[in-house]
This record gives sequence, C-alpha cells and structure tokens, in this order.
Amino acid sequence: DVKVTQSSRYLVKRTGEKVFLECVQDMDHENMFWYRQDPGLGLRLIYFSYDVKMKEKGDIPEGYSVSREKKERFSLILESASTNQTSMYLCASSFGGPKNIQYFGAGTRLSVL
Amino acid sequence: RKEVEQDPGPFNVPEGATVAFNCTYSNSASQSFFWYRQDCRKEPKLLMSVYSSGNEDGRFTAQLNRASQYISLLIRDSKLSDSATYLCVVNPNTGNQFYFGTGTSLTVIP
Repeated sequence: DVKVTQSSRYLVKRTGEKVFLECVQDMDHENMFWYRQDPGLGLRLIYFSYDVKMKEKGDIPEGYSVSREKKERFSLILESASTNQTSMYLCASSFGGPKNIQYFGAGTRLSVL
Repeated sequence: RKEVEQDPGPFNVPEGATVAFNCTYSNSASQSFFWYRQDCRKEPKLLMSVYSSGNEDGRFTAQLNRASQYISLLIRDSKLSDSATYLCVVNPNTGNQFYFGTGTSLTVIP
C-alpha cells in the first residue's frame, strides 16, 4: 500500500510563528504536492515538486515556501503564520506521466490564533 | 472560468437509489480524469480513474464525454456507506498539476 505520512494531524500556532509541515512518502514518487482545503473552495494547490530540489508555484503560493532535499520528503513552510492560513493542509504524491494517480496523506488541521 | 466545475449538491437519496453526478472541465486537451471520495475530516481517496470513454467498478460507473467536456459518476443501488463528498479531478496533461472540483456532497438516507 502507498503510504503518505504527514507529521501532525492537528497543530495550533500563534500569529507570526514559523510553521513547518512535513510530508513523507514511501513509494519513490517523483511528484509531491501541497494543497489547502477550505469549505466551499475545494482543494487549492500551493506548491508542487517534480524532483529533488525542484519546485513549482501552484495557485496560491503567497505566504508559503517549500523544501525538497530528499525525494521522499516535501516540507511546507509558513514563514510568518497568519490567521487566514488556518486550514486543512493535504500532502499528496504521484508518479510522473499522464496516467499518474495522486495519493494523499491524512491531512494536518492547522489553527493560527 | 474554473478548470473544473461540479454541482456541490447536496444530493440526498434513499438507499437503493441510483444517483449521478456531472463534472465539466475547461481544457479540451485534458487526458486523465479521476473521481475521488472524501469522507468527513479525512483525506481524498481514489475511487476511479478514467482514461478513455469510461470505467466501471461494481456499482460505480464513470463516463467521459470529450465532445461536451464532462465526466459523470453513476452510483447504482446506493448504500448508506456511500455517503461522502465526491471530488472530480482533471489532469490537463500540460504538466504535473491536477485540478480539483469543489466536490459533490452525497447523503444516502435509510
């Protein structure tokens, strides 16, 4: 079974804090993704990476950065957390190619107070 | 125009009913299509993938209409356990990015 593991299920942080969300996959997938999911807005892509040290901005990258130093690990960083970053964050991974399927981690519910 | 659009519902159907959801996409060059299921406060999980005209898996059938740029999901003989949000996902094949619909909520009533 594909396993995508997110380091925390729930996080509570204060405004201005630096926040790290970690994601690890065990299927040797080339692609990794970070989304946030908000009611009525669906999943929105923040960043994705198609190789180690490579990253691409998604639809809403402002206020976020990412790091991919190893193939299996993709980190999302909130440099200075704000209340509008309170959300469910979902990590996903996939092989490359047109028939790739995304597999998701269990999600991290982040609250910024 | 959004890349992927779905009717958010909610759809409330009795057990045993047949229900269908539609999803439209804007990029005519799209090649890969998926239906994911998401339970409340859980992650999305793949239900079906559609690469050609359609796919069938038990009570679930997905159909692709390229001319009208929509995919549909048909659920026959609905079970209580089918209650969930169903997400339509499209890979336009312009890169590795996927586009998600906002999801359609289904509740199957006893």
